[in-house]
Amino acid sequence: AQTVTQSQPEMSVQEAETVTLSCTYDTSESDYYLFWYKQPPSRQMILVIRQEAYKQQNATENRFSVNFQKAAKSFSLKISDSQLGDAAMYFCAYRGYGNKLVFGAGTILRVKS
Amino acid sequence: DTEVTQTPKHLVMGMTNKKSLKCEQHMGHRAMYWYKQKAKKPPELMFVYSYEKLSINESVPSRFSPECPNSSLLNLHLHALQPEDSALYLCASSQEESSYNSPLHFGNGTRLTVT
Repeated sequence: AQTVTQSQPEMSVQEAETVTLSCTYDTSESDYYLFWYKQPPSRQMILVIRQEAYKQQNATENRFSVNFQKAAKSFSLKISDSQLGDAAMYFCAYRGYGNKLVFGAGTILRVKS
Repeated sequence: DTEVTQTPKHLVMGMTNKKSLKCEQHMGHRAMYWYKQKAKKPPELMFVYSYEKLSINESVPSRFSPECPNSSLLNLHLHALQPEDSALYLCASSQEESSYNSPLHFGNGTRLTVT
């Protein structure tokens, strides 16, 4: 079975600084998708960014980018120019042939002004 | 604005009550999901509907009864719940259950409290 590990329960970043959230996963599948979801206090799970395993180029969405290392099974999220609105719980998630979305335990990100 | 709408936002119910949670999407998605989420934990999958048919039931107790009246609507009927069922219930949809490249779109959830 696939597993997703987020080893940082909480992280803090100063406004306008850069922060990286870690995620590792375990799978024997060759093709799959990886996602980062953000859940602010408003509760809605918002898709931040996604990466297909077959694509070597790291995905980027504005201030959000990933460092995808397929061999190491690592999928970290970098947030540049952090803003107060980035404060949320961030979940790394995996979806492969089994189709179920497997979540990591989550990382709480606090942004200090 | 969320494209998946859940009602109500908050629900308080006694252990003998019967209530329903509702979820609606108009993105043409053919897969819909119910998740249960405890505070500061990841969502846990409960049910998946694909083309209006129940595809996955993650061994959920029968006091939770899902229903998919049409491709846009998903209900979760609640009866004789326990206090430990208090949680955030999230609805989600995706284009197809079998398309693992299509992300799930989530609603804002219903905060359920069982007294």
